[in-house]
Amino acid sequence: ETGVTQSPTHLIKTRGQQVTLRCSSQSGHNTVSWYQQALGQGPQFIFQYYREEENGRGNFPPRFSGLQFPNYSSELNVNALELDDSALYLCASSLDRGQGGYTFGSGTRLTVV
Amino acid sequence: AQSVTQPDIHITVSEGASLELRCNYSYGATPYLFWYVQSPGQGLQLLLKYFSGDTLVQGIKGFEAEFKRSQSSFNLRKPSVHWSDAAEYFCAGPSGGYQKVTFGIGTKLQVIP
Repeated sequence: ETGVTQSPTHLIKTRGQQVTLRCSSQSGHNTVSWYQQALGQGPQFIFQYYREEENGRGNFPPRFSGLQFPNYSSELNVNALELDDSALYLCASSLDRGQGGYTFGSGTRLTVV
Repeated sequence: AQSVTQPDIHITVSEGASLELRCNYSYGATPYLFWYVQSPGQGLQLLLKYFSGDTLVQGIKGFEAEFKRSQSSFNLRKPSVHWSDAAEYFCAGPSGGYQKVTFGIGTKLQVIP
């Protein structure tokens, strides 16, 4: 069984740019959740996708958007990057919205300069 | 808002000593709760989960946790800590539905010889 794969692992962007982060979910999982983890903090919920539909959203502005594909992989898009967007972005896959717990990827480290 | 709280930011224990990491929750109904572990620069790994039933939950790597409704706690324990247990530990629970899992701020565990 494959785990959760995120790409890229590291990324440096300039303020105002746009970025797309990708996530391949674990085989058999139909739900993907995205989290932002700032340095020294716990992960903060961005949103969840279940069977290609958004299924919950945290307190993040609309410039954070996502997509889930028929194979249940997912993308996180962030427009108009700000310095405070610098963080580790974690993707977590699960079955049926996640009551059984999540399987996390290793994350994408985004630095905005 | 429903949440979990980890009162200890940093804990140091000697190798071979017992460990208890604290987690308090604020939920009206019986919550479902998780403990995750994160090694530096990595994603999170699920250690154990509680939904209902037996209040003592066994997890991976020799960890266990006990759900105590009277104390609103879900503390993580290990009888004998190994140097490889040094990591950051996160307690997590639902916030507004189980699709929106909220993480505590984390407890960083240091293991000394």
